[in-house]
Amino acid sequence: QVQLQQSGAELAKPGSSVKISCKASGYTFTSYDISWIKQTTGQGLEYIGYINTGSGGTYYNEKFKGKATLTVDKSSSTAFMQLSSLTPEDTAVYYCARGARYWGQGVMVTVSS
Amino acid sequence: DIQMTQSPASLSASLGETVTIECLASEDIYSNLAWYQQKPGKSPQLLIYDASSLQDGVPSRFSGSESGTQYSLEINSLQSEDAVTYFCQQHHDYPYTFGAGTKLELK
Repeated sequence: QVQLQQSGAELAKPGSSVKISCKASGYTFTSYDISWIKQTTGQGLEYIGYINTGSGGTYYNEKFKGKATLTVDKSSSTAFMQLSSLTPEDTAVYYCARGARYWGQGVMVTVSS
Repeated sequence: DIQMTQSPASLSASLGETVTIECLASEDIYSNLAWYQQKPGKSPQLLIYDASSLQDGVPSRFSGSESGTQYSLEINSLQSEDAVTYFCQQHHDYPYTFGAGTKLELK
């Protein structure tokens, strides 16, 4: 069965970076894009962008350009998202998703000094 | 970006009732709309895709419809487990955008 297993919660200091992962199983990894979504209590759900897992090509929501960097490791069927220059406004749950149907369990990223 | 205006923000209903949640798109999204249910601490679960198609395994009391740029999610015969949060999402144009959510509570 299709599964997207995300890495664990992160506590980071302002100005630092974090890299979270999304390991896919149960299907051919390179056949589907992986999207990333941010969820906060205040802003709701926001679409960050997606990566073509076959070519590595990316799309970023303008709002997240310079903040998020999407990569993949085809050998391990894993997608990554690096968040840089963290501020308290980056505190959120981050999800990876394959289409609309399959979502990871989410990663809580907390930015605090 | 396409704006998705979801209403109401919260809704209180009794067991067995029928409730409707709506999303208004700021432009034509050609039925490229999904509805999700989200339980506390869990990731969103797909209920409806392409505006009116029921995802496998979702109870038939959930249904979706559209009228122009207005999209609706109807829940018939409300059950206790339905008292959670619902979101719409357009996937017609990037960036994909979501409604602000509707929190459904039981009276």
